[in-house]
Amino acid sequence: EAQVTQNPRYLITVTGKKLTVTCSQNMNHEYMSWYRQDPGLGLRQIYYSMNVEVTDKGDVPEGYKVSRKEKRNFPLILESPSPNQTSLYFCASSLSGVQETQYFGPGTRLLVL
Amino acid sequence: GESVGLHLPTLSVQEGDNSIINCAYSNSASDYFIWYKQESGKGPQFIIDIRSNMDKRQGQRVTVLLNKTVKHLSLQIAATQPGDSAVYFCAENMMNYGGATNKLIFGTGTLLAVQP
Repeated sequence: EAQVTQNPRYLITVTGKKLTVTCSQNMNHEYMSWYRQDPGLGLRQIYYSMNVEVTDKGDVPEGYKVSRKEKRNFPLILESPSPNQTSLYFCASSLSGVQETQYFGPGTRLLVL
Repeated sequence: GESVGLHLPTLSVQEGDNSIINCAYSNSASDYFIWYKQESGKGPQFIIDIRSNMDKRQGQRVTVLLNKTVKHLSLQIAATQPGDSAVYFCAENMMNYGGATNKLIFGTGTLLAVQP
């Protein structure tokens, strides 16, 4: 089944404790992206990747890192999480860019205490 | 399920009626627009898209209308069903002086509630 998977689905952590949210897609997509979703703000793009070893900032990249060492994986790294990073995070992928259909993962709910 | 917005605009319709969800976009130079549906506890799901060289595009039970003059996008759902209950987002592909970017700007969403 073609899908985007994220792990973990739910995470509670404390300020400053490094964490990684994994994202994997099995559709051989070149484009992958991370979004955060907050009440009243909709989805905002954090980082995106056009292909392996090619990443770029979205609209809200501060406090986040990403890497794209393999085509299928695009982990989101929070080196020192803060409470303002409490949010619902979505990973998405598409064949070659935003003007192709993006497939979203199920989301990761993060609470930073 | 997950709550994606506590103060979303809400459209309440009766089952079988037509629904119209509206969206104002920000960048007059944007050339590609998308509607997504997000059910409770799930990620957004693509519904339909439209390019700026078109005014209207139809899918199965859905129609998207684009009015570039007033930067307005609408999604029409015919014969609305209980399964259509969800949050609906519009998104635009941001342009800059170099052309299309690889960024999407999302609207804040509208909650569609279908009454049986």
